[in-house]
Amino acid sequence: GQNIDQPTEMTATEGAIVQINCTYQTSGFNGLFWYQQHAGEAPTFLSYNVLDGLEEKGRFSSFLSRSKGYSYLLLKELQMKDSASYLCAVRDRSGGYQKVTFGTGTKLQVIP
Amino acid sequence: DSGVTQTPKHLITATGQRVTLRCSPRSGDLSVYWYQQSLDQGLQFLIQYYNGEERAKGNILERFSAQQFPDLHSELNLSSLELGDSALYFCASSKFQEGNTIYFGEGSWLTVV
Repeated sequence: GQNIDQPTEMTATEGAIVQINCTYQTSGFNGLFWYQQHAGEAPTFLSYNVLDGLEEKGRFSSFLSRSKGYSYLLLKELQMKDSASYLCAVRDRSGGYQKVTFGTGTKLQVIP
Repeated sequence: DSGVTQTPKHLITATGQRVTLRCSPRSGDLSVYWYQQSLDQGLQFLIQYYNGEERAKGNILERFSAQQFPDLHSELNLSSLELGDSALYFCASSKFQEGNTIYFGEGSWLTVV
């Protein structure tokens, strides 16, 4: 099985930078995803990491350390519209099959 | 618009009934995933299909079943419905079994009364 841990809630100020951490435990790691989800809406893909290091995409960056079972999502120049839940998901390839399991998400509130 | 289409968008039904949720993946995507999200809860993985074959199974109840058809659309069947089955059911798709991008549909809101 998998354990995925993320902070439940975070608050940050408009224009600032926020880092959302995710730790995981899995025996057959095969990739990590970050998604953004506004309440009642579909999750929107943000990033995918399978190798160690930093992936940058505009205001969003995602980092992975496989040896530490750790990832973070970095959001720069925060905007009010960034208020949403951020979901970390891990693909596990153990037991002869692979599945993508989501953490419970971090609810980010951006304040003026 | 992700390109993943789910129907119906909203459904209200009584306990004990059976419903079918339908999903059309993005054009060219062979893999389909089903997730359940209850109010204020995380996404719970139910099942994954790839090119018509079941590839992974999560905590899917025995009352639930799914399949992927030759045209790659998928259906999730929920039977003997209980109040606790009320949730948002998402379908997602990716090109490969281990695609690096998984796209989600808008979801089907199921309310059991």
